[in-house]
Amino acid sequence: ETGVTQTPRHLVMGMTNKKSLKCEQHLGHNAMYWYKQSAKKPLELMFVYSLEERVENNSVPSRFSPECPNSSHLFLHLHTLQPEDSALYLCASSQDRAGIWADTQYFGPGTRLTVL
Amino acid sequence: LAKTTQPISMDSYEGQEVNITCSHNNIATNDYITWYQQFPSQGPRFIIQGYKTKVTNEVASLFIPADRKSSTLSLPRVSLSDTAVYYCLVGGRDDKIIFGKGTRLHILP
Repeated sequence: ETGVTQTPRHLVMGMTNKKSLKCEQHLGHNAMYWYKQSAKKPLELMFVYSLEERVENNSVPSRFSPECPNSSHLFLHLHTLQPEDSALYLCASSQDRAGIWADTQYFGPGTRLTVL
Repeated sequence: LAKTTQPISMDSYEGQEVNITCSHNNIATNDYITWYQQFPSQGPRFIIQGYKTKVTNEVASLFIPADRKSSTLSLPRVSLSDTAVYYCLVGGRDDKIIFGKGTRLHILP
């Protein structure tokens, strides 16, 4: 238990569906991250929020839309996804002290997404 | 971006000490070195972080030479449950971290 929870843990959706992934951190951190991990590939950074402001958008297609309403919650809104978007989506949080890239990131368990 | 290079895979036996070395020749002055462990279908878990010399915690040690161009993660007396992927990351205030392929460590009985 890392203090970062993600829901749902598993999600199957069609290409025309709209769904959202939710991440919540109970650590009092001020930075949150979305990563994508496809089968047998390294983690790919998608978005970073620091103090509820987006500070990184790593050339992610617009069918992925992040939202950070406060420092404890992070959402990833999904619409018109493609089968190649099937992956494990991981959320992480950190306390921005020495710069977000030096801080220890605490990861959630991930959401296993399957797009049919 | 500070690029890191580490072995793709390693095998060891239970009870042995395992050392995984990572090279990061273009590390910047303000960069830290951080190691994570990841089991299948789980998020990575922080193991240890250091800036220079040696850092030790309850699960591992991290050795960093004076030039900081490499680092070695040392896992004492490994068990089967240490089978995982280990990532070496370098980053700081202005230097974004990137998760590479990591090192797949396989512990044999």
